[in-house]
Amino acid sequence: GQNIDQPTEMTATEGAIVQINCTYQTSGFNGLFWYQQHAGEAPTFLSYNVLDGLEEKGRFSSFLSRSKGYSYLLLKELQMKDSASYLCAVLDSNYQLIWGAGTKLIIKP
Amino acid sequence: NAGVTQTPKFRVLKTGQSMTLLCAQDMNHEYMYWYRQDPGMGLRLIHYSVGEGTTAKGEVPDGYNVSRLKKQNFLLGLESAAPSQTSVYFCASSSGDSGANVLTFGAGSRLTVL
Repeated sequence: GQNIDQPTEMTATEGAIVQINCTYQTSGFNGLFWYQQHAGEAPTFLSYNVLDGLEEKGRFSSFLSRSKGYSYLLLKELQMKDSASYLCAVLDSNYQLIWGAGTKLIIKP
Repeated sequence: NAGVTQTPKFRVLKTGQSMTLLCAQDMNHEYMYWYRQDPGMGLRLIHYSVGEGTTAKGEVPDGYNVSRLKKQNFLLGLESAAPSQTSVYFCASSSGDSGANVLTFGAGSRLTVL
């Protein structure tokens, strides 16, 4: 079966750095996405990785290792507005998106 | 630019009742999707469409039907609602281009079936 694993919940302090991990086992791989979802709102796109390495976009970076089936989302200089769920999703060999259950990130002052 | 609009935002149904969720997008996207989101689970694809007049089953299609009569609209129907269909439903659309096929989501429709 296909599986995406993420921690259920993480807590971090305002101004700090946090790394949210995602491991996957899927039938094929055509890219990995990270989405942000604030409580009661729609998911919004953060990043896309298809090749190994680090993609940096402002305070957010996403890393991919295809050989390890592993990705992480790195959030720097945390702000209270970063409190949200972060969803990892993998595009499989049939170009279907497989979603993780999401990681709820709580930011404390 | 409204993006993806879903109606209604909230609905309470009794078991056995029927209803339709409406999704409209103004981005001229080819692909449209209906997902459900339940606590502790990832988004699950119900049905999707790769263009006007086409529909296809996703991961959890049972108990739902869809129609894509116009490119901008994608309707999700429940013919006989069951408590197991209590969920938050998200519509999404994308251009369908190869590569980073980024989804744009609607705000969600919270459905409770009693």
